[in-house]
Amino acid sequence: AQSVAQPEDQVNVAEGNPLTVKCTYSVSGNPYLFWYVQYPNRGLQFLLKYITGDNLVKGSYGFEAEFNKSQTSFHLKKPSALVSDSALYFCAVRDPWGNTPLVFGKGTRLSVIA
Amino acid sequence: EAQVTQNPRYLITVTGKKLTVTCSQNMNHEYMSWYRQDPGLGLRQIYYSMNVEVTDKGDVPEGYKVSRKEKRNFPLILESPSPNQTSLYFCASSPAPRTLNTEAFFGQGTRLTVV
Repeated sequence: AQSVAQPEDQVNVAEGNPLTVKCTYSVSGNPYLFWYVQYPNRGLQFLLKYITGDNLVKGSYGFEAEFNKSQTSFHLKKPSALVSDSALYFCAVRDPWGNTPLVFGKGTRLSVIA
Repeated sequence: EAQVTQNPRYLITVTGKKLTVTCSQNMNHEYMSWYRQDPGLGLRQIYYSMNVEVTDKGDVPEGYKVSRKEKRNFPLILESPSPNQTSLYFCASSPAPRTLNTEAFFGQGTRLTVV
């Protein structure tokens, strides 16, 4: 069965500094990996995905993520954080050869301080 | 506009009173699923459906029912709600696996309080 771990409940970063939100996964075979963001009182919004190809994936709002197969990781990064990036971030995995939908991590709350 | 629509957005009910949360998608997606979100627990899958008339239990199905009579609709039914079902609920839809455009689309959420 696939699973996702987000080891940090909370990440604090100063505005303008680079940010990283960590994610590791477990799935048989090659995974489909996703990042979603949830702003207060809103649903989940898709940020980016890794399906195949280049290990560095670029997504919405200047975010990117690097797929590392040997470390089974898919960390979310941004070179320069904005206060408006403060939100709850979820990593998710899907086994492309299985029948189940997305499996999510527990989420990481990002706070960007001005 | 591609979207997943949930209703209602907010609901307060009493223990034992049957309720239904509706979910509809306009993207002709095969997969639909329900999640509940609780602090510190992330999103946990309740039920999912791979296509019409095909449903399966997720991680936390107890106390819930679903049906998939039409491709676009996937209602969540609580036959006898209890306070431990107080939560934020999300419906999601996605294409079948083994496609490149495989990201899930989420509804705006339904905040349910059972007193």
